[in-house]
Amino acid sequence: EAGVVQSPRYKIIEKKQPVAFWCNPISGHNTLYWYLQNLGQGPELLIRYENEEAVDDSQLPKDRFSAERLKGVDSTLKIQPAELGDSAVYLCASSFGTGGTEAFFGQGTRLTVV
Amino acid sequence: TQLLEQSPQFLSIQEGENLTVYCNSSSVFSSLQWYRQEPGEGPVLLVTVVTGGEVKKLKRLTFQFGDARKDSSLHITAAQPGDTGLYLCAGDPASGNEKLTFGTGTRLTIIP
Repeated sequence: EAGVVQSPRYKIIEKKQPVAFWCNPISGHNTLYWYLQNLGQGPELLIRYENEEAVDDSQLPKDRFSAERLKGVDSTLKIQPAELGDSAVYLCASSFGTGGTEAFFGQGTRLTVV
Repeated sequence: TQLLEQSPQFLSIQEGENLTVYCNSSSVFSSLQWYRQEPGEGPVLLVTVVTGGEVKKLKRLTFQFGDARKDSSLHITAAQPGDTGLYLCAGDPASGNEKLTFGTGTRLTIIP
């Protein structure tokens, strides 16, 4: 069974440019998470989807970040415009259900804004 | 605001030694998970504990959930270089908002 797939693995962009990340969760997983992880720290939740509905986006900086999961399967996370402080690893995870069920993570996208 | 504080933040020990990593919070959790993350990879789940006082063993790793479900510990016996990584605890708050919240992490290095 394929795991959570993210692309690209690495992205280097200049500040003020847009960038998008893509995530394909494990088949059948209705919950999808986007996390931001700074070096050596724990992941911080940006947004959580249950199917196509964003049920928790309280930590998403909505002035520049947006996300969608139109068909309740794969998802994209966009930043426009990117700032230097956005440099981090963006992790996608999925789970079958919520509330303590195991979350499976992708390898992440390492973003560097220069 | 991090609900889960992990200690120590960094730990470097010799192969064969024992160690304990702690995960503490003032909040109550319905369940708590431990993950290990290696460089360039996403976190991988090691264990989930759901009952206060629960102890789970995974080979040389022993996980304990506090009686009040506010804290947890991970004990590794006879550490090996393959145990090196970032250890993360993650909790599902009992408040019902169902947000899997991660701790601050413990970076463990086992010296051969």
